[in-house]
Amino acid sequence: KNQVEQSPQSLIILEGKNCTLQCNYTVSPFSNLRWYKQDTGRGPVSLTIMTFSENTKSNGRYTATLDADTKQSSLHITASQLSDSASYICVVRATSGTYKYIFGTGTRLKVLA
Amino acid sequence: DAGVTQSPTHLIKTRGQHVTLRCSPISGHKSVSWYQQVLGQGPQFIFQYYEKEERGRGNFPDRFSARQFPNYSSELNVNALLLGDSALYLCASSRGWLGTELREQYFGPGTRLTVT
Repeated sequence: KNQVEQSPQSLIILEGKNCTLQCNYTVSPFSNLRWYKQDTGRGPVSLTIMTFSENTKSNGRYTATLDADTKQSSLHITASQLSDSASYICVVRATSGTYKYIFGTGTRLKVLA
Repeated sequence: DAGVTQSPTHLIKTRGQHVTLRCSPISGHKSVSWYQQVLGQGPQFIFQYYEKEERGRGNFPDRFSARQFPNYSSELNVNALLLGDSALYLCASSRGWLGTELREQYFGPGTRLTVT
């Protein structure tokens, strides 16, 4: 069964600190992996997208890595800000003629002053 | 340019009722996808429509149906509502068919449905 698992479920850090969120997936074969940021009560907003051949992708203070061999991805947030408080969702798109995007349950990040 | 819009923003229904949710994609986008997000979970794919045709369907019962209109807006219909249908329903639009590798999706703010 295609699955996307994220850890930790929730995380609290102090403003200015760095953090890393993890995403493990069993989707195979897959074509791309995305990280989204979702503020409470809002729709997800795309942060990065990587194909299976890419190892890293940056978007400002957000850096995503991908290891297609171990089926793991991480999202690193540098110098966190209060506005980074949100849920971060990992999404994997399967290939083989399917059109479904498989979402993880997300990591809820809270940044404290 | 306006983003993806959804209506209504909030809705309260009772069990057994029917509900219609609406979505207007970004101008120029021809694909609309619907997702259900239960509190504390990630979104679950329901449908994708492209050029008014269904291009993908998730693992949801037949009580869920959708359609896309000539102006590319879309409706999601849910019949015989159950308590478990309470969720945030997200609509996402894309310029083309999501079967294309790196096609980006843009999400709307969602409709919060509460079934009592």
